Amino acid sequence: GENVEQHPSTLSVQEGDSAVIKCTYSDSASNYFPWYKQELGKGPQLIIDIRSNVGEKKDQRIAVTLNKTAKHFSLHITETQPEDSAVYFCAASIGYKLSFGAGTTVTVRA
Amino acid sequence: SAVISQKPSRDICQRGTSLTIQCQVDSQVTMMFWYRQQPGQSLTLIATANQGSEATYESGFVIDKFPISRPNLTFSTLTVSNMSPEDSSIYLCSVDALEGYTFGSGTRLTVV
Repeated sequence: GENVEQHPSTLSVQEGDSAVIKCTYSDSASNYFPWYKQELGKGPQLIIDIRSNVGEKKDQRIAVTLNKTAKHFSLHITETQPEDSAVYFCAASIGYKLSFGAGTTVTVRA
Repeated sequence: SAVISQKPSRDICQRGTSLTIQCQVDSQVTMMFWYRQQPGQSLTLIATANQGSEATYESGFVIDKFPISRPNLTFSTLTVSNMSPEDSSIYLCSVDALEGYTFGSGTRLTVV
């Protein structure tokens, strides 16, 4: 099955700085790559996604890039704010099955 | 976007008992998914539930332990049977909505 690796496991950034989380996947057939934000006590919230026919997608302060050749994709958060502090998960999908990375705990220092 | 309601939001159960978790969606969906998230861990797919057919279980999960019902296109239940402390986790319902895969807020289960 699909194997998704996510790095780093923890990330601490100063407010206003950028945060980057990277994921790699193993199955070249994966075609959908969502990112989720999970706050304490809540379910995962979809924040951005990208499909395999697109290299980059941006939504305000959040962007995702995809390199199909290298089989990796990244989440970029610019101008970080304290409310960005959460656990972020990447995922890769073949068909309807999502395989998740291990998660990155992001802490934004005020 | 699809709104998912899960009940109960949390529970503390005795070992050897069973708990049924309900998932209600505000729109009709073809597929509903059940995930487990062990403390401090990532999400693992338990099974996929389609209306009118038996659920499809992932490796390591069996129907006797996690029976699933899917009586219509907006509702599903997951039962955690004969619970042990190792079943203490967050159980999440998810659907494939137009905007992507959406998750409920989860059921936080503690088995004592």
